[in-house]
Amino acid sequence: DAMVIQNPRYQVTQFGKPVTLSCSQTLNHNVMYWYQQKSSQAPKLLFHYYDKDFNNEADTPDNFQSRRPNTSFCFLDIRSPGLGDAAMYLCATSRAGNEQFFGPGTRLTVL
Amino acid sequence: AQTVTQSQPEMSVQEAETVTLSCTYDTSENNYYLFWYKQPPSRQMILVIRQEAYKQQNATENRFSVNFQKAAKSFSLKISDSQLGDTAMYFCAFMKFGGQAGTALIFGKGTTLSVSS
Repeated sequence: DAMVIQNPRYQVTQFGKPVTLSCSQTLNHNVMYWYQQKSSQAPKLLFHYYDKDFNNEADTPDNFQSRRPNTSFCFLDIRSPGLGDAAMYLCATSRAGNEQFFGPGTRLTVL
Repeated sequence: AQTVTQSQPEMSVQEAETVTLSCTYDTSENNYYLFWYKQPPSRQMILVIRQEAYKQQNATENRFSVNFQKAAKSFSLKISDSQLGDTAMYFCAFMKFGGQAGTALIFGKGTTLSVSS
């Protein structure tokens, strides 16, 4: 089945230790998104890629970076995680202008 | 800027009953999409139903239907014959139609629905 896959599902890191979250898709969608979702809140868009074009939301901290080496994969890098970065990170994909399909998320814990 | 408001933080319903979740939005756009997404506890967010603003007919998907009132900027979700598996957080979301590729979803704060037996 075509799908959006996120690895790992659970990630524990230490305060200030860089961490990378992975997303892959078999839907061949040209747009990929990263959202941050804190407990019982709505997802908040961090950035998205339209093909290779990177689009950063204005209020996304510089601590968050992203890479998209090819159509299928997208990575979220958190350079120096703080306690406030503990959250669920959701990857989503879409064809341009259409509804988004979400992965299962990676729950990040910062110790 | 667009905003989406879900005024019911929590709702509960018995199995087999019908429940309606409310959503209002604010936009100056004429063409847009509206969605309801479901996020079960510790599980993946999935699309429940979508509505194109240019369509007058309300969307339906099996037990799920919407009441779309464009003039009132209202987009409620009705769940008929509720099942235990409907227990989840439900998000109403708005997306502009056309325009720049990769347009963001604007989410409401969500409604937690609990279905009990």
